[in-house]
Amino acid sequence: QVTLRESGPALVKPTQTLTLTCTFSGFSLSTSGMCVSWIRQPPGKALEWLALIDWDDDKFYSTSLKTRLTISKDTSKNQVVLRMTNMDPVDTATYYCARCKRVAAGSRYFDYWGQGTLVTVSS
Amino acid sequence: QSVLTQPPSASGTPGQRVTISCSGSSSNVGSNTVNWYQQLPGTAPKLLIYSNNQRPSGVPDRFSGSKSGTSASLAISGLQSEDESDYYCATWDDSLNGPIFGGGTKLTVL
Repeated sequence: QVTLRESGPALVKPTQTLTLTCTFSGFSLSTSGMCVSWIRQPPGKALEWLALIDWDDDKFYSTSLKTRLTISKDTSKNQVVLRMTNMDPVDTATYYCARCKRVAAGSRYFDYWGQGTLVTVSS
Repeated sequence: QSVLTQPPSASGTPGQRVTISCSGSSSNVGSNTVNWYQQLPGTAPKLLIYSNNQRPSGVPDRFSGSKSGTSASLAISGLQSEDESDYYCATWDDSLNGPIFGGGTKLTVL
């Protein structure tokens, strides 16, 4: 049974750094073709992909947020961590982590999602 | 504004067949597989269709996906009230070197 759970602060101040942890079970991130990704959704808006880390430690970032994001994994702990610097009120959103599978050179799909964690950016 | 274009809304009556389109370009839909996600109100998205037309275990065969060129479609037949939800298409973009989502379509069952 695959599960993912996001954890981190519910409230951060502008300019602070957000650190979110995705703790998962039911699969290994060292298995070929596996990946974990972070996706966010501002209230009432569409999904926005943020970052992805592959089983072989390849990392991909949203072009528009690349300078602010860092994704890392701890395979022994079954965790993936996302850091986002210089938080702003526009970053207020529900942040999801999701397991993904690589189908071909680029193609991936997100087959299991965490419940999401709402992060509010406010002073 | 999303790189993948979806109609913001769609509607149908129970039993009807509805389709939701997803338009992209050669760097995304045209060269990679398309996935569809269903997001019921207040819940996390759920994988509905992957690799253009594959259904994960447990997804009813009322849901089907197709792709032609730089466009993809999600079809829902025998529409039911519980299908009222937001639907998102997604794929990989070779130029951006990452996944992208459509802007989402809100389906209303009248």
